[in-house]
Amino acid sequence: DAKTTQPPSMDCAEGRAANLPCNHSTISGNEYVYWYRQIHSQGPQYIIHGLKNNETNEMASLIITEDRKSSTLILPHATLRDTAVYYCIVIWGGSQGNLIFGKGTKLSVKP
Amino acid sequence: DVKVTQSSRYLVKRTGEKVFLECVQDMDHENMFWYRQDPGLGLRLIYFSYDVKMKEKGDIPEGYSVSREKKERFSLILESASTNQTSMYLCASSLRGSSPNEQFFGPGTRLTVL
Repeated sequence: DAKTTQPPSMDCAEGRAANLPCNHSTISGNEYVYWYRQIHSQGPQYIIHGLKNNETNEMASLIITEDRKSSTLILPHATLRDTAVYYCIVIWGGSQGNLIFGKGTKLSVKP
Repeated sequence: DVKVTQSSRYLVKRTGEKVFLECVQDMDHENMFWYRQDPGLGLRLIYFSYDVKMKEKGDIPEGYSVSREKKERFSLILESASTNQTSMYLCASSLRGSSPNEQFFGPGTRLTVL
């Protein structure tokens, strides 16, 4: 079973920030939070990951609460091409694979 | 640009046929994975490989086998295809070490078994 809870769907206006929440209240100290997305008819795409500090890359920012029980993925200026299903995954840092994707959040970016 | 390629985007086979799905990556990654994706069930790991000639069962290996003779290529084999193997098959690869969970996925093969 997935260790995360995400809203099934969200809408965002083009050009606005998209804030996607994820609850992972049972996360343990050596587990990381990973975010992937899957655009329709394509394979999943890695976005970002973090342990306890906030992270930023060219695609997004990841904000992890101090107690690490939840996190938020931020797409600062959403475009129509960001319409996708976004998956939040919790996984042990030493794992060599087997990402367990839950149902994710379907983000619809609207003009 | 890094790439994971899969031999076919769409494939239609008949029950009982032997099916080969090929995956090639050009990133010199040690780890390679085969998943299947079904509506309502998410991604499920079939097999993975840490290195050439090595393979490990994932969560749903029954009815499948794999082959990794070269580092860049990981093949999924359906020995005798059945209708319940109709699915989207996704291959992925990752680097062993600092970011093993940063997996790069191919575009997927949508297999229909009639």
